[in-house]
Amino acid sequence: ETGVTQSPTHLIKTRGQQVTLRCSSQSGHNTVSWYQQALGQGPQFIFQYYREEENGRGNFPPRFSGLQFPNYSSELNVNALELDDSALYLCASTSPWLSEQYFGPGTRLTVT
Amino acid sequence: GESVGLHLPTLSVQEGDNSIINCAYSNSASDYFIWYKQESGKGPQFIIDIRSNMDKRQGQRVTVLLNKTVKHLSLQIAATQPGDSAVYFCAENALGGGADGLTFGKGTHLIIQP
Repeated sequence: ETGVTQSPTHLIKTRGQQVTLRCSSQSGHNTVSWYQQALGQGPQFIFQYYREEENGRGNFPPRFSGLQFPNYSSELNVNALELDDSALYLCASTSPWLSEQYFGPGTRLTVT
Repeated sequence: GESVGLHLPTLSVQEGDNSIINCAYSNSASDYFIWYKQESGKGPQFIIDIRSNMDKRQGQRVTVLLNKTVKHLSLQIAATQPGDSAVYFCAENALGGGADGLTFGKGTHLIIQP
């Protein structure tokens, strides 16, 4: 267990809806990254938050947005859901002096 | 395309044998590499990492080898056990460039035969 927690574990949404996923980072870790993992693929980097600011982003459209709170927890918001957004969404945390990222168990999102 | 990839989607080995999982990367700027293990229904679990100023690093039953000349990374697992069955991903990043996130390959499914 890494100490990174995510909620919910599963959810089902309809195309066009909005969803919010949550992540609590490991104690002492102030940097949170989000990844999308489609079935049978490796995780793809969405964005990273440090000190409540987005400080890096992968190739994802603006309808993917996030927040980081003073306690370093984070949210991933996805608007106007599409069928292709169905995936496992992973949160990973790290601290400034570490390079390795520690992943949570993920949230399985199904868009119908 | 992806800058990190794996040569084989599935690798089957006998319990007790050694396993070698390979990975090729294309980004010359990559200077930090990680191996993750992902079991069904779980998030990736950190196994071992290596920086570009090293060729080899050993952990408990695992060894990572880095060949920068041919941009190749491998993970060796000694005396494989049933609990080693999982999908293994290599990932890369530029140290100090963590804001770009990790780039993962597609993964190799390691199957341990009894």
